[in-house]
Amino acid sequence: EPEVTQTPSHQVTQMGQEVILRCVPISNHLYFYWYRQILGQKVEFLVSFYNNEISEKSEIFDDQFSVERPDGSNFTLKIRSTKLEDSAMYFCASSEDRAANEKLFFGSGTQLSVL
Amino acid sequence: SQKIEQNSEALNIQEGKTATLTCNYTNYSPAYLQWYRQDPGRGPVFLLLIRENEKEKRKERLKVTFDTTLKQSLFHITASQPADSATYLCKTGANNLFFGTGTRLTVIP
Repeated sequence: EPEVTQTPSHQVTQMGQEVILRCVPISNHLYFYWYRQILGQKVEFLVSFYNNEISEKSEIFDDQFSVERPDGSNFTLKIRSTKLEDSAMYFCASSEDRAANEKLFFGSGTQLSVL
Repeated sequence: SQKIEQNSEALNIQEGKTATLTCNYTNYSPAYLQWYRQDPGRGPVFLLLIRENEKEKRKERLKVTFDTTLKQSLFHITASQPADSATYLCKTGANNLFFGTGTRLTVIP
C-alpha cells in the first residue's frame, strides 16, 4: 500500500538553528499538510499546500515556518530559527483531493528536539 | 471560533465490552466528520467518515453516529480487544482540518 514517508525520524538541533523536515507524499496525491503534536497534547494543524502554494495556515504557522515542494516528489517544512517550544512530533500528510470528506494519509513523523 | 472536544482524555474498559467515545463540536456545522486511530509515536490512521445526512455508519466492530442537533458524534467499538488500545481522534472543521483532543482507550484483558 502506498505510504507517506518522512525523514529524518529524529532530529536534534540547537535553539536558533534552522531545520528542514522532509516528506514524500503519496505519488498521485495533490494536497499536502503539516501537523505537529507536542508530547501529550493534541494533533495541531499547521499548513496545507496545493498547486505550489499555501492553501491555509493556522496561527501557529508564523513567519518562522515555510513550506516548499522543491521537486515533483518532496514536500518540506522549514523552521528558520528554532525555539525550545518547537520541540514536537511533526507529521506530514497528503490527500487525493481537497474535499471536506477526503481522508488524510499520515507519515510516521519526525521527532524534533530543540535544545 | 470553531471548537472540537472529546469528552474524555482516557477511557479504560474490560475486554469484550463496548467502548463509546464522544466528539462534540461548537460554532460551526460540518458536512463530514472523520475518526482516526493513533498509536504511540505514529501518525493518525483513518478509520471512518460520516456525513451530516447519515445517522449511523458501521465498519466491522466500529460504529459511528452523527447527531447534528446535539452537535455530537459517538464512536463505538463493540467486543473490544486489547489490540484496540490506542488514542482515537475525531476530525472536522469548516475545512475539515482540525482534530479533537483525542481519547486514549485502554482495553483491559
